Amino acid sequence: AQKVTQAQTEISVVEKEDVTLDCVYETRDTTYYLFWYKQPPSGELVFLIRRNSFDEQNEISGRYSWNFQKSTSSFNFTITASQVVDSAVYFCALRGGGGNKLTFGTGTQLKVEL
Amino acid sequence: SAVISQKPSRDICQRGTSLTIQCQVDSQVTMMFWYRQQPGQSLTLIATANQGSEATYESGFVIDKFPISRPNLTFSTLTVSNLSPEDSSIYLCSVEDRSYEQYFGPGTRLTVT
Repeated sequence: AQKVTQAQTEISVVEKEDVTLDCVYETRDTTYYLFWYKQPPSGELVFLIRRNSFDEQNEISGRYSWNFQKSTSSFNFTITASQVVDSAVYFCALRGGGGNKLTFGTGTQLKVEL
Repeated sequence: SAVISQKPSRDICQRGTSLTIQCQVDSQVTMMFWYRQQPGQSLTLIATANQGSEATYESGFVIDKFPISRPNLTFSTLTVSNLSPEDSSIYLCSVEDRSYEQYFGPGTRLTVT
């Protein structure tokens, strides 16, 4: 069985602060894929990143960065210099190697205030 | 990435009626997926729709309640039947590309009164 845990239900920060969203996963597959999605108040789900289980390189995209550590089964997401527009619910998700189903975490509500 | 549209974007329906949601993709895809997101909750997969075969439903979801059609490689419909207030949710379709990246439609916000 696959499981994704996002222990942080809600995080509030002041604009320009850095913030890290945690994601811990469980799977028995040796090949799998990890994802982060952003869901702003409008409701659509925006794809942010996909990471393969065999690629542990960290990735940076502008103010966003991701830290993948297989040893701790974690795939954490950091926003540097947060902005009000970053306010949204962020979901971490897992796809096993043998199927197409995405298993989602419960999401973390990020509120960035002025 | 694929561009996905859904109709309607939102609807208010009466108990006991049905709502059919359409999902259109701008490119041909093998698999399409339907998810439900109940208020304040995460996403749960309802079923996987392959063109030319019956949809595969996840545990807890049945064809009588959530019939799905997939007439071609760019289109699918999900019907939510015999509506009850518990069906009030956002319904999202998604597709997966060759890089295993899944993209989602804008969602259909259903309210059942």
